[in-house]
Amino acid sequence: GESVGLHLPTLSVQEGDNSIINCAYSNSASDYFIWYKQESGKGPQFIIDIRSNMDKRQGQRVTVLLNKTVKHLSLQIAATQPGDSAVYFCADLINKFYFGSGTKLNVKP
Amino acid sequence: DTAVSQTPKYLVTQMGNDKSIKCEQNLGHDTMYWYKQDSKKFLKIMFSYNNKELIINETVPNRFSPKSPDKAHLNLHINSLELGDSAVYFCASSQWGDSEAFFGQGTRLTVV
Repeated sequence: GESVGLHLPTLSVQEGDNSIINCAYSNSASDYFIWYKQESGKGPQFIIDIRSNMDKRQGQRVTVLLNKTVKHLSLQIAATQPGDSAVYFCADLINKFYFGSGTKLNVKP
Repeated sequence: DTAVSQTPKYLVTQMGNDKSIKCEQNLGHDTMYWYKQDSKKFLKIMFSYNNKELIINETVPNRFSPKSPDKAHLNLHINSLELGDSAVYFCASSQWGDSEAFFGQGTRLTVV
C-alpha cells in the first residue's frame, strides 16, 4: 500500500555537524509534508511543513528539501546541538497522521 | 497551561483488567486522536474524532473503545488488558484541515 517512511532507524552525528534525515513516500498525489520531533519522554512536536509547489523551505536551523521526481524529502539540521537528539517523523497530508517509524538522531558531544 | 493533557502518565495493571486513559485539550480544536507507540517507536494512529464523531478507526481490537463526551475530551477505555497492550499511548488534537497536531505527554501503560 501507499506509505511514508524513513530510511534509517538511527543516525549519529557529532555536535556542530549538519544532520540529514531522509524520508521516502510512494503516493504521487502527496502534496503536503510534515516533520515532527519527539524528544525522550514527550509527545511529538510539529517542526516544519512543506507543500509540493516548493522544493525547499527553511526554518530556524532546519531546512526541508522536497524532490518530487524521486518522491523523497529530507530534513536538514544545521550545527546540530544536543537538544536536537530526538526521534524524527515525517508524514504526508494524504496519510495525514500516519507516522510509522521514525529516525532516532543521536548527537555526540 | 497544558494544551493537551492525559491522565494518568503511568499505568501499571494486571492482565484481564479494564482501564481508562483520559485526555483533554484546551485549544478549542475540533479533532482529537489516539495513537499507540510501541517499544521501537513505531507511532500508529488508532482513532480520530471530529466534532465528537468517529472518523478514523484503524484495525484495533474492539477491546479498545474511545469515548468523546464533548469536543474537548477523548477518553480511551480498554477492556481485558493483554500483555501486548503495553505501550505508550498518545492523545493529540488539531483543527481539521490544519497540518499541525498537538500531542499530550503520553501514558505509559504496562500490563503485567
